[in-house]
Amino acid sequence: GESVGLHLPTLSVQEGDNSIINCAYSNSASDYFIWYKQESGKGPQFIIDIRSNMDKRQGQRVTVLLNKTVKHLSLQIAATQPGDSAVYFCAESPNFGNEKLTFGTGTRLTIIP
Amino acid sequence: GAVVSQHPSRVICKSGTSVKIECRSLDFQATTMFWYRQFPKQSLMLMATSNEGSKATYEQGVEKDKFLINHASLTLSTLTVTSAHPEDSSFYICSANYRGETQYFGPGTRLLVL
Repeated sequence: GESVGLHLPTLSVQEGDNSIINCAYSNSASDYFIWYKQESGKGPQFIIDIRSNMDKRQGQRVTVLLNKTVKHLSLQIAATQPGDSAVYFCAESPNFGNEKLTFGTGTRLTIIP
Repeated sequence: GAVVSQHPSRVICKSGTSVKIECRSLDFQATTMFWYRQFPKQSLMLMATSNEGSKATYEQGVEKDKFLINHASLTLSTLTVTSAHPEDSSFYICSANYRGETQYFGPGTRLLVL
């Protein structure tokens, strides 16, 4: 079946540096993508989303890039802080709206003080 | 806006008993809510889609008679784990669809079945 996966299961970044988390998806029909942050023992927290008609979207300290040609999604976090340490999941959906999400395997980001 | 709560946050029960978990959208109405299960160090797996006023849609392999879902109002969905067994121990997370767009998640419920 279709799946969403990540290249790197763990990532360690020095505090203050930028981090990039990658995600490969296999469903070319996916129209909507979301990045979530999950801290230990908590539910996923929405970070940023992007629709397939865009290739870049920026938020506060975060940027999501979408490359539909190679079915690749990335999350860039600028000037990382200790509070950014968490597991990051990408998720995809066939449509923007009331559709179920398929989650990737997750990447654990550790910020080194 | 877009706050989702769950109750309880933790529950321990004996094998064979039933446990009810509530999911509420606090500041918005959600016609659709979702229930996920997450095992340690794993990703979220969708269990079912809960639609207000109609039957839930279960994912393949999820027993609808074991995981009862009721979405009686636009702000509340409940998941009841019936006759729970140790293998049902997991982290259960709900999400609600905000304005028909993005899913926002609750804080999760840790279930331990002894």
